[in-house]
Amino acid sequence: DIVMTQSPDSLAVSLGERATINCKSSQSVLYSFNNKNFLAWYQQKSGQPPKLLIYWASIRESGVPDRFSGSESGTDFTLTISSLQAEDVAVYYCQQYYSGRTFGQGTKVEIK
Amino acid sequence: EVRLQESGGGLVQPGGSLRLSCAASRFTFSTYDMSWVRQTPGKGLEWVSFISGSGGNTYYADSVKGRFTISRDNSKNTVFLQMNSLRAEDTALYYCAALKITSGGYGPESDWGQGTLVTVS
Repeated sequence: DIVMTQSPDSLAVSLGERATINCKSSQSVLYSFNNKNFLAWYQQKSGQPPKLLIYWASIRESGVPDRFSGSESGTDFTLTISSLQAEDVAVYYCQQYYSGRTFGQGTKVEIK
Repeated sequence: EVRLQESGGGLVQPGGSLRLSCAASRFTFSTYDMSWVRQTPGKGLEWVSFISGSGGNTYYADSVKGRFTISRDNSKNTVFLQMNSLRAEDTALYYCAALKITSGGYGPESDWGQGTLVTVS
């Protein structure tokens, strides 16, 4: 199974500041036929189901604010919130969908 | 807007069975691949099973293989999860989700229901 490891487990960021969440896959999730990483990011607010933010590692889902961005380098992936807003308080998960699906353990983002 | 509504959860004894349903509306159901994903406070999010739009392809997590069966009825816009030989570790909130339609390969889960709680005790 592909293991997804996120860091940190939690972080506190001031409003308007940058938040960065990392995710590492235990093996490549790059599909050679289309050269895309099968990596997604989700946001889960308290009492709600997960919401898809990013897919193909860096493509924003429709309606997602552009302060959210995803990047990739080999088996390392990053979700960046460029200017944290109060409504961004949530747990964020990475997910590989290359082979079955596995999720990272989650990163809790709070306001400092 | 895609709408998904799970039902069928509840309290069941170890070794028992439950059948979860997920009713879909407001989209062309048969064109969407579907997943079941569960969540526990201790283990986070865990993918359980997948079924293609036609129902011809199904996949399972190793933790449920041989015990759970996913199926769908496209005439009723519903996907099911039959859960047998339930264990305490199957206790979770079970979500159904529709996969994003993409140009290549199976996409991620893009639309989720609110979940149905399964307690095995």
